[in-house]
Amino acid sequence: GAVVSQHPSRVICKSGTSVKIECRSLDFQATTMFWYRQFPKQSLMLMATSNEGSKATYEQGVEKDKFLINHASLTLSTLTVTSAHPEDSSFYICSAREVDRGNTEAFFGQGTRLTVV
Amino acid sequence: GEDVEQSLFLSVREGDSSVINCTYTDSSSTYLYWYKQEPGAGLQLLTYIFSNMDMKQDQRLTVLLNKKDKHLSLRIADTQTGDSAIYFCAESPDYKLSFGAGTTVTVRA
Repeated sequence: GAVVSQHPSRVICKSGTSVKIECRSLDFQATTMFWYRQFPKQSLMLMATSNEGSKATYEQGVEKDKFLINHASLTLSTLTVTSAHPEDSSFYICSAREVDRGNTEAFFGQGTRLTVV
Repeated sequence: GEDVEQSLFLSVREGDSSVINCTYTDSSSTYLYWYKQEPGAGLQLLTYIFSNMDMKQDQRLTVLLNKKDKHLSLRIADTQTGDSAIYFCAESPDYKLSFGAGTTVTVRA
């Protein structure tokens, strides 16, 4: 299957700093990428949908100024957690889909474990 | 997601079959999915079923779909220790995926 690479896999940052997470589709063009957040022993919560070249669509309750999403190309989307706080510590996972081609499968990155201290 | 419900835990003996059940709410989902997540890792698509099918078999995996009851199940035959993981079912009424809370499958010797 297609590969989605997420980087970094783990990051520890201090409170108040910003952290950028990258999501790349390596062998296909992802017109749409999705960012999820997963709390321990819980399901994945969709945070936002990012479309190449346009503004991301955020789910209800997700602060768009806190979680900045950029989808500048068909192979790269970034999530920046701004002014991070300990409660932002979580597992963040991206996925990518070739929606325009009606592809049924969403390919997931390996996830980023963010710890804010 | 609250629209997709799964039991949280399943313990099974090595070599037995595992059955994970899921109920969903959106009848417009064209596809329904099963994903596997190993500790500290992302999600791996195991299999999916088109909504007009009632069964799909793929090697050790069998998916059953009861569209009337909005019930989906995943059967893993001859469960192995490598099958220990969290299994998520997901519906997709549009291009977004809505996941259940995940079923933690523990395989005991």
